[in-house]
Amino acid sequence: EDQVTQSPEALRLQEGESSSLNCSYTVSGLRGLFWYRQDPGKGPEFLFTLYSAGEEKEKERLKATLTKKESFLHITAPKPEDSATYLCAVRSGKNYGQNFVFGPGTRLSVLP
Amino acid sequence: SAVISQKPSRDICQRGTSLTIQCQVDSQVTMMFWYRQQPGQSLTLIATANQGSEATYESGFVIDKFPISRPNLTFSTLTVSNLSPEDSSIYLCSVLGTGGDEQYFGPGTRLTVT
Repeated sequence: EDQVTQSPEALRLQEGESSSLNCSYTVSGLRGLFWYRQDPGKGPEFLFTLYSAGEEKEKERLKATLTKKESFLHITAPKPEDSATYLCAVRSGKNYGQNFVFGPGTRLSVLP
Repeated sequence: SAVISQKPSRDICQRGTSLTIQCQVDSQVTMMFWYRQQPGQSLTLIATANQGSEATYESGFVIDKFPISRPNLTFSTLTVSNLSPEDSSIYLCSVLGTGGDEQYFGPGTRLTVT
């Protein structure tokens, strides 16, 4: 069974204090690993897709990396507006179809 | 990226009744997805709705409880039937982006069952 876990469950940072969020996964044939940001009361917002180990993607203060077992979302010099829940998801290739599995998320709070 | 709207944004319903949620997309899409996000939890895929065919339900979800319609390429509805307090959740629809794998989500419908 495909599984996604995320750590930590919650993270509080001071503005400017860099850190990383972890996403560990087990999947039958990774078709893609995704990072989303979710603000309270809103739907998830797409951030990145990673397809193969060693791949990296960057967007502003965020950088996502991928290995064969996990992905990291690095946040450099965060600002209060980066506060949100960050969700990791995988899509497996075992069924040609819509096998998306989401992790529980990491709630990030960045204090001014 | 697609722009997705959902109606209603929230509702409070009585036990035993049903709620129909609408999802409208600003472009034509083949597949639409319906998710449930229970309080403090992550997203669980309920079903995939393809235009012109029956929806495909994930394990643990059945058509009698969650009937779905997909009358055209920009619109879908999800009905949550015979409501119980355990159905209190946020329901989200999504579509695939042009990359083929990333999803774009609607704002969600917050359902509370009393």
